[in-house]
Amino acid sequence: GAVVSQHPSWVICKSGTSVKIECRSLDFQATTMFWYRQFPKQSLMLMATSNEGSKATYEQGVEKDKFLINHASLTLSTLTVTSAHPEDSSFYICSARGSRTFTNTGELFFGEGSRLTVL
Amino acid sequence: AQSVTQLDSQVPVFEEAPVELRCNYSSSVSVYLFWYVQYPNQGLQLLLKYLSGSTLVKGINGFEAEFNKSQTSFHLRKPSVHISDTAEYFCAVLYGGSQGNLIFGKGTKLSVKP
Repeated sequence: GAVVSQHPSWVICKSGTSVKIECRSLDFQATTMFWYRQFPKQSLMLMATSNEGSKATYEQGVEKDKFLINHASLTLSTLTVTSAHPEDSSFYICSARGSRTFTNTGELFFGEGSRLTVL
Repeated sequence: AQSVTQLDSQVPVFEEAPVELRCNYSSSVSVYLFWYVQYPNQGLQLLLKYLSGSTLVKGINGFEAEFNKSQTSFHLRKPSVHISDTAEYFCAVLYGGSQGNLIFGKGTKLSVKP
């Protein structure tokens, strides 16, 4: 099956520093990757959609200069939280979608999530 | 507007009892339907999906769901739950074909008590 891996699973950082979270598709090429943020006891909020080799498309209200997304290859996307503050503490989840030849069902494959705590 | 509604935010049940988690979506010509489960501090795992064909789909862990086009519903059921089924369940609908937008419901917290 399709596997998506996120790293790190947990990260604690000081306020003002930047944190990078990686999302990798291990056994398929992800033409599109999605980044979600999840607050406690709430649903997933789509932050941005990234296509390989293109700039990410951000959802309304998401600061693109704060949440930098790079999708430089078909198996890796990164989310960098710049100048992190305590209010950025959250659970970040990535997901990936393969090409039509890989899956024509539109199914997304999710990473394990990354818990960010900003002190 | 495209939307997915999970009517119950929390569902407490006793072990071995049946359970139904409800999901309704805004009508559309072409939809694919999914149920995901999330255990604490983990990502989402696909339980089952409806693409076409039989309206009753079976998934992992003994779950099943029925697609009802006239009622635009995709309720999740399990005849007998276990303590290990305690988790958050998300209904999701893909609008606009296989490369379209996946819209999530707000989730239902299933709590199974002994």
